[in-house]
Amino acid sequence: QKEVEQNSGPLSVPEGAIASLNCTYSDRVSQSFFWYRQYSGKSPELIMSIYSNGDKEDGRFTAQLNKASQYVSLLIRDSQPSDSATYLCAVNPGNTPLVFGKGTRLSVIA
Amino acid sequence: GAVVSQHPSWVICKSGTSVKIECRSLDFQATTMFWYRQFPKQSLMLMATSNEGSKATYEQGVEKDKFLINHASLTLSTLTVTSAHPEDSSFYICSVGAGTSSFRTDTQYFGPGTRLTVL
Repeated sequence: QKEVEQNSGPLSVPEGAIASLNCTYSDRVSQSFFWYRQYSGKSPELIMSIYSNGDKEDGRFTAQLNKASQYVSLLIRDSQPSDSATYLCAVNPGNTPLVFGKGTRLSVIA
Repeated sequence: GAVVSQHPSWVICKSGTSVKIECRSLDFQATTMFWYRQFPKQSLMLMATSNEGSKATYEQGVEKDKFLINHASLTLSTLTVTSAHPEDSSFYICSVGAGTSSFRTDTQYFGPGTRLTVL
């Protein structure tokens, strides 16, 4: 069974700090990896995608992928209270819907 | 990313009635759409995958006769909750996947969701 594991949190970080969110996946053939942000009461919003090993930066967000370790992470630099949300890791194992983790709740404390 | 709308954004209905939720892909033709349900403080649960012009594929445990899905065009999919009961109260979210556009076809873009309350 294809699985995506995330620590449910909550992860609390002070404003201005780096938030580090982690995700592991079970299906080795997965090629596409995504991070979604979901605010309370809202639907998920795609914030990052990554396809190759290494780092991908977009503004304050950096996604990191290590296919050998089946590990994906999201770093949020200079965390702001507005970053407080649940972050969903998603994996595309190919020709199926995305497999989502249960999400990590991030709380940025002002 | 792709722009997806849902209507209505919220609905309150009486037990036993049916409710139809529309999901529209506004800026590209979606051959595949997905329907999710999310209870408060719980994770997304995939209900079904719908492909334009064919029958939807339901996830295990989802009653196909209760949750009717129609994907009649490349821009519209509908979910009808038939004979709704209070336990069907939830946040229903659609997303679009594969399509004919410049958007990536290996990810999903979500609509804003529909909050259903059954009294």
